[in-house]
Amino acid sequence: NAGVTQTPKFQVLKTGQSMTLQCAQDMNHNSMYWYRQDPGMGLRLIYYSASEGTTDKGEVPNGYNVSRLNKREFSLRLESAAPSQTSVYFCASSEALGGIDTQYFGPGTRLTVL
Amino acid sequence: KQEVTQIPAALSVPEGENLVLNCSFTDSAIYNLQWFRQDPGKGLTSLLLIQSSQREQTSGRLNASLDKSSGRSTLYIAASQPGDSATYLCAVWDDYKLSFGAGTTVTVRA
Repeated sequence: NAGVTQTPKFQVLKTGQSMTLQCAQDMNHNSMYWYRQDPGMGLRLIYYSASEGTTDKGEVPNGYNVSRLNKREFSLRLESAAPSQTSVYFCASSEALGGIDTQYFGPGTRLTVL
Repeated sequence: KQEVTQIPAALSVPEGENLVLNCSFTDSAIYNLQWFRQDPGKGLTSLLLIQSSQREQTSGRLNASLDKSSGRSTLYIAASQPGDSATYLCAVWDDYKLSFGAGTTVTVRA
């Protein structure tokens, strides 16, 4: 059982380049999330998807877009990368929105924007 | 806006000592509180989830308490081992999202 998988594990971009971070879960969860983690700060929510076909902004959505491709997959796109987007990105999933159950996290993507 | 604080930021103890990790939050209207463990270069692993109606949860050597009225939670790890060395993150679920603290990095010395 793979849980939550993310690709790629590492990425280096130049300012202005674009890329898509991929996330997939095999637990049949309805809700999925994208967070970023910066040194000395807690994880901050970028976007979330309560269920297939819906997406909503989190705390720090500027500069990002998302797609909930199907129930399993939730991708995060950086259209024009900036050095401020250098961070570790985590995808997570849970059975439902609302805090009844835990969130399961992927291993992260370490992104550097030069 | 929910603010979650974890003090201290880092902690070093000898093996066998009990660990006490603190978490405070500013808005008591939470649905639940979770403690996570993060190993260097890895994702987060959920340790304990306390629903807002509960006062504590236990799993093996771990015990977490929740006092919503004072906006505090404490994670106790009994008889610490070198394998407990990691960063421990506290998060509260309010409205539609988890709000995280910055974590406490624990080193257990053999």
